[in-house]
Amino acid sequence: QKEVEQNSGPLSVPEGAIASLNCTYSDRGSQSFFWYRQYSGKSPELIMFIYSNGDKEDGRFTAQLNKASQYVSLLIRDSQPSDSATYLCAVPFRGYQKVTFGIGTKLQVIP
Amino acid sequence: DVKVTQSSRYLVKRTGEKVFLECVQDMDHENMFWYRQDPGLGLRLIYFSYDVKMKEKGDIPEGYSVSREKKERFSLILESASTNQTSMYLCASSDKRGGQWYEQYFGPGTRLTVT
Repeated sequence: QKEVEQNSGPLSVPEGAIASLNCTYSDRGSQSFFWYRQYSGKSPELIMFIYSNGDKEDGRFTAQLNKASQYVSLLIRDSQPSDSATYLCAVPFRGYQKVTFGIGTKLQVIP
Repeated sequence: DVKVTQSSRYLVKRTGEKVFLECVQDMDHENMFWYRQDPGLGLRLIYFSYDVKMKEKGDIPEGYSVSREKKERFSLILESASTNQTSMYLCASSDKRGGQWYEQYFGPGTRLTVT
């Protein structure tokens, strides 16, 4: 069973702080990784995609991948109340179209 | 923009009824998926389809079946609805770009209540 683990939270951070969300995965062969954001009552939407070791930055978001340690993280700089949502880590099975989702971390940004 | 639509946002059915959930995507994607999402359990894959008339069981297929007669449409069928199938059902589609499996695009979801 391919597993993706996240702390369900809630993770509370003050407005303007850096939020750090973490995800570990079990399949050493996994090549690419996704972060989805899901607002309450809405469906998930992709916010970051990473497949190389190291950092990938997009605006206030940075995804970090460490394949040797099998973890991927998402940093949100200058957190805003509008960032309050559940963040899902998703890992495709090696060689398959299917994706395993983590349980999601609920982020609360306190004004 | 990719658009994935689902036939209903809210649905209330009685135990034992046969329930059809419809999903349509407009981007000619090869892959389509049905998930259910429950508090504390996250997104769980019920079935997916990688081509017309092709399907594969996901992690929790019991009590469900699917149909994909046309590329753009993927239906989830609850043969005999039970109260433990009360959930949010999400449809998604995806396609392969540049040799890598790419992002999944989700529909708005159907909140099904079985009484």
